[in-house]
Amino acid sequence: TQLLEQSPQFLSIQEGENLTVYCNSSSVFSSLQWYRQEPGEGPVLLVTVVTGGEVKKLKRLTFQFGDARKDSSLHITAAQPGDTGLYLCAAPRQGAQKLVFGQGTRLTINP
Amino acid sequence: DTGVSQDPRHKITKRGQNVTFRCDPISEHNRLYWYRQTLGQGPEFLTYFQNEAQLEKSRLLSDRFSAERPKGSFSTLEIQRTEQGDSAMYLCASSNPGLKGEQYFGPGTRLTVT
Repeated sequence: TQLLEQSPQFLSIQEGENLTVYCNSSSVFSSLQWYRQEPGEGPVLLVTVVTGGEVKKLKRLTFQFGDARKDSSLHITAAQPGDTGLYLCAAPRQGAQKLVFGQGTRLTINP
Repeated sequence: DTGVSQDPRHKITKRGQNVTFRCDPISEHNRLYWYRQTLGQGPEFLTYFQNEAQLEKSRLLSDRFSAERPKGSFSTLEIQRTEQGDSAMYLCASSNPGLKGEQYFGPGTRLTVT
């Protein structure tokens, strides 16, 4: 059983469209990270959210942490081919140092 | 900018051989982590060091796996008697306390066992 469930697992859309990716859990987290991973490379940290209800923006990407700190979403406006990649949510296990990851959302933006 | 580096980037080995991977963390980070990632999955935790002390090991880390961080700087991950099921991307990450759980990853070592 995944501690973090991401949906959808695959998403293919046209350039210019908007999209939202979800990361859900039944557990409460002290923080949550979003990473993007290109094929053959390690994950690159995009953002960390800490406070329930927090919203952070990174250019066309908007990240939100749920009020109860159990879930998060990533919204991309006017998607571009450069946004293509595997998007991973991750959170530190309570009382431990390791990160647990969702299974990822593989996003493809078609020109 | 000296991020996390890993060597080699790719390793092809025959079943039964031993392999060793190296990770150099961000220099001011005292925590170092190893993860394994198989196709279509997110990374899974293997083990964690704070300075030179190995503080946690996953059940995924069988007795064929050993990790060291002898001087609290770089780390090595050795797999003995490799099996085809060991084929995966091995990722190293580093962090410091107070970074809100943030970890910074290296480019990974892709292991293929034939």
